[in-house]
Amino acid sequence: DIVMTQTPLSSPVTLGQPASISCRSSQSLVHSDGNTYLSWLQQRPGQPPRLLIYKISNRFSGVPDRFSGSGAGTDFTLKISRVEAEDVGLYYCVQATQFPHTFGQGTKLEIK
Amino acid sequence: QVTLKESGPVLVKPTETLTLTCTVSGFSLSNAELGVSWIRQPPGKALEWLAHIFSNDENSYCTSLKSRLTISKDTSKSQVVLTMTNMDPVDTATYYCARIRGGTGPDYWGQGTLVTVSS
Repeated sequence: DIVMTQTPLSSPVTLGQPASISCRSSQSLVHSDGNTYLSWLQQRPGQPPRLLIYKISNRFSGVPDRFSGSGAGTDFTLKISRVEAEDVGLYYCVQATQFPHTFGQGTKLEIK
Repeated sequence: QVTLKESGPVLVKPTETLTLTCTVSGFSLSNAELGVSWIRQPPGKALEWLAHIFSNDENSYCTSLKSRLTISKDTSKSQVVLTMTNMDPVDTATYYCARIRGGTGPDYWGQGTLVTVSS
């Protein structure tokens, strides 16, 4: 199984400042079809997860443009350009290149 | 409007079998571009992918739980069913179903259902 490792596990951020979360996979996430199926999810307190980014850098419908994704191969990053109060919660990377799909451990974003 | 809703028991006893149902609307389980996965989250812990079913009824399971899981669907009822045998207190978790679109990933999620395993 592909292991997904996120860093940091906790990220205190000042409102209006940027935030960055890294995700590393134990093997390349490039699929045989040439795509890389790496997604980012947000889970606000008491809520189900919500898709933010798919295929490394594509924002899902309704996701603010302050969220962006980048990376390739085994190393990926989620960036929030200016953190807002509503961004507090857990963030997960998940790979769908290979079954079984696997999640990172989650990164807790909190306001300083 | 795409929705998914999980249903099932809130409490099961150790060694019992858990049966959860995901009822979907706004899309068809026969759509070749779509599938449904079950994912769980123990209290205060990370998400864990459990199982997936494709439109053609093929499936895939979490390696460590494969012997205990069965996923199936009834397209006419728009339902996906997950069974997990030999439940243990460590299986206490919120269980989610999510729609998986090829290329997009888990784009829609249910609200989840908390299942507690206790005697």
